[in-house]
Amino acid sequence: SQQGEEDPQALSIQEGENATMNCSYKTSINNLQWYRQNSGRGLVHLILIRSNEREKHSGRLRVTLDTSKKSSSLLITASRAADTASYFCATGPQGAQKLVFGQGTRLTINP
Amino acid sequence: ETGVTQTPRHLVMGMTNKKSLKCEQHLGHNAMYWYKQSAKKPLELMFVYNFKEQTENNSVPSRFSPECPNSSHLFLHLHTLQPEDSALYLCASSQDVGGWWPQHFGDGTRLSIL
Repeated sequence: SQQGEEDPQALSIQEGENATMNCSYKTSINNLQWYRQNSGRGLVHLILIRSNEREKHSGRLRVTLDTSKKSSSLLITASRAADTASYFCATGPQGAQKLVFGQGTRLTINP
Repeated sequence: ETGVTQTPRHLVMGMTNKKSLKCEQHLGHNAMYWYKQSAKKPLELMFVYNFKEQTENNSVPSRFSPECPNSSHLFLHLHTLQPEDSALYLCASSQDVGGWWPQHFGDGTRLSIL
């Protein structure tokens, strides 16, 4: 079964509102990463949080990690139309030489 | 501009054709990856190369044949594909192999099998 599972699968909000996406995973990890994918394009790395970190910020992005619950959340504040995209979490499982991606959350920002 | 370039962007081929996908990275990375992205499925890792040596093959059918002549170039040779192989094929690179490093993706090749 897949390592990372995002929730919700789709999210539609008004411009200016905050968007929160969640990711759950199954095994111990070294780090967790979030990526964005615009329609017809490749994935773009947004932020990496290490297993010993609990929160990280980058501009309008805020990521939290709770290793006891094996979950992470991505918060986008003051959303813009340009934030419309799919967002994926990816985990770096301990002992594994690869990233494992979830199915993603499709975020739509309505003007 | 991500530093990873994939060509062609779109490819339509019949099941008996032979074609190749190309990926080039300008980031000085040591690791390169091929992924398959299908609708409603998680990103599937196909192959991993580290310093042009293959380190992982995720049970990919032999009709997909990767080639990595150097750390900057990666090819995916295709032959006798099936309709279920229609998907977006993404190439990525990272500083080194492993889950510690952020990956940089190209924009993919949209492959359609007739």
